[in-house]
Amino acid sequence: DVKVTQSSRYLVKRTGEKVFLECVQDMDHENMFWYRQDPGLGLRLIYFSYDVKMKEKGDIPEGYSVSREKKERFSLILESASTNQTSMYLCASSLVGPNPNQPQHFGDGTRLSIL
Amino acid sequence: GDSVTQMEGPVTLSEEAFLTINCTYTATGYPSLFWYVQYPGEGLQLLLKATKADDKGSNKGFEATYRKETTSFHLEKGSVQVSDSAVYFCALNSGGGADGLTFGKGTHLIIQP
Repeated sequence: DVKVTQSSRYLVKRTGEKVFLECVQDMDHENMFWYRQDPGLGLRLIYFSYDVKMKEKGDIPEGYSVSREKKERFSLILESASTNQTSMYLCASSLVGPNPNQPQHFGDGTRLSIL
Repeated sequence: GDSVTQMEGPVTLSEEAFLTINCTYTATGYPSLFWYVQYPGEGLQLLLKATKADDKGSNKGFEATYRKETTSFHLEKGSVQVSDSAVYFCALNSGGGADGLTFGKGTHLIIQP
């Protein structure tokens, strides 16, 4: 069964801290994604990666960076956390194949609170 | 740019009622369309998808038909159960899969026994 694992379900950090959110997938997927989910706004794409060491900005990249050193791991980094980054963060992955419309598989999310 | 509009809810129904959650979209080209479901405390799961006009996606009693002429992908189920209570997201991908999905804001569905 496919599995996307996010390292923490709940995380509390302080303003100004550097925060790392980790995501690992065991499906050998090329594509990985980071979204944030906020009430009334749905899911918004922060960054995605289509290969090791490759990254592309999504719709709301400001205040975030990412790292993809290995195919199975995609890290989201909050360089200097702020209270407006309090949110639910969802990681996803998908396969590149002959069918370009592969579904994305999601982790259970990390609920991050910045105090 | 791409966008997805869906009814936000909450939508409250009695068990065994008929369900429709509306979804319309704006996109360039010919996007693929998806419905995802999020149960309490969990991540999103793919419920069904359709990749071209007039395709019908179906799963767990849910159905949705890709209507290009009305740019819609409404989710339906003939008889809902309490276990269907969740948040449902309509989404599209017009980039061929390598980039992210564009999501609607989600519809919170509550089924009462």
